[in-house]
Amino acid sequence: QKEVEQNSGPLSVPEGAIASLNCTYSDRGSQSFFWYRQYSGKSPELIMSIYSNGDKEDGRFTAQLNKASQYVSLLIRDSQPSDSATYLCAGTSGYSSASKIIFGSGTRLSIRP
Amino acid sequence: DGGITQSPKYLFRKEGQNVTLSCEQNLNHDAMYWYRQDPGQGLRLIYYSQIVNDFQKGDIAEGYSVSREKKESFPLTVTSAQKNPTAFYLCASGQGDPYEQYFGPGTRLTVT
Repeated sequence: QKEVEQNSGPLSVPEGAIASLNCTYSDRGSQSFFWYRQYSGKSPELIMSIYSNGDKEDGRFTAQLNKASQYVSLLIRDSQPSDSATYLCAGTSGYSSASKIIFGSGTRLSIRP
Repeated sequence: DGGITQSPKYLFRKEGQNVTLSCEQNLNHDAMYWYRQDPGQGLRLIYYSQIVNDFQKGDIAEGYSVSREKKESFPLTVTSAQKNPTAFYLCASGQGDPYEQYFGPGTRLTVT
């Protein structure tokens, strides 16, 4: 069973600090990875995609991918109360069925004032 | 405006009734997906379609059916055979490698 694992949290971070969210995956064939933000009662919103080893930055968000360690992370700098949400990590399901994505169960992030 | 629409937002049904959830997209995406989310859980794939008139079962297809007669539309029917249908249903669409998926607003189904 191909899996994407996340710590469910909640992860509590003070406002203005860096929030670090982590994810591991079991399928070595996974090529692309995604971070979604989901507010309570709403649908997931794609915030970052990463396909190559290393870092990818977009505003306050940095995604990090290490394929050798099968590890993906999301850093949120200068955390704001509006960042409080559940963050879903996802990865493509191997080479042959690249249109499928496997989702982790999400990490709940709470930014405290 | 480009996007994915799902209707209705809330749906209430009695046990034993089939119900169809609508999903429409005007993003010109080839692929469309249906997921189910239960409270505190991740997303589980029900069905997906990469092209018109073709679809594949996901991880939890039992008790569900779909059709893909048009590129823009991918309706999901929750049949009476689905034992625990109460959930948040999410439709998504995507295009090309690396197959980013974009979600509609979801339909919350309650069956009593």
